[in-house]
Amino acid sequence: GAVVSQHPSRVICKSGTSVKIECRSLDFQATTMFWYRQFPKKSLMLMATSNEGSKATYEQGVEKDKFLINHASLTLSTLTVTSAHPEDSSFYICSARSAGGFTDTQYFGPGTRLTVL
Amino acid sequence: GQQLNQSPQSMFIQEGEDVSMNCTSSSIFNTWLWYKQDPGEGPVLLIALYKAGELTSNGRLTAQFGITRKDSFLNISASIPSDVGIYFCAGQLSLTNAGKSTFGDGTTLTVKP
Repeated sequence: GAVVSQHPSRVICKSGTSVKIECRSLDFQATTMFWYRQFPKKSLMLMATSNEGSKATYEQGVEKDKFLINHASLTLSTLTVTSAHPEDSSFYICSARSAGGFTDTQYFGPGTRLTVL
Repeated sequence: GQQLNQSPQSMFIQEGEDVSMNCTSSSIFNTWLWYKQDPGEGPVLLIALYKAGELTSNGRLTAQFGITRKDSFLNISASIPSDVGIYFCAGQLSLTNAGKSTFGDGTTLTVKP
């Protein structure tokens, strides 16, 4: 199956700093990537849809100035958590959309555990 | 917006038993996906269903896309300890919806050796 990587896998930062998370599709081109946030024992909450070469589309309630998304190429999207606070601590997961013909499937990265002290 | 009701929320079974979980929706989906998530990892796609009535198997896993397009189930036969994890269903409305998926709340599976 398609492979999606995320970097870093874990990050601990101080409150007020910014953290960048990378999401890469390794063996396919993804015009669309998605960023999710997951709280312990909860489902995935879609934060935003990242489109290559254009602005990201944010879900209701997600601050676009807080969570900056850049989709610079067909294989890379980045999520930057700006001025992080402890309440931003969470598991962040990206997925990349592989679409062709009748199939449209999302492949997930392994996730990034963010801890803000 | 669309919501998926996934049940059961959790299951505790003995190794070797069969497992069944399902998702229902009040609205139609054109694609159903089933994922498994291990602790600290991202979800891994198990089975993708693209056509109403479709029945697809992947090893010991079988999933079906309901005829009404409002439900799907996943069966796991002869469970083994490594089946432990959280299983999520996801529905997609259409290809024109930019591939956005709606996720169920997950079924946590525990298998006792």
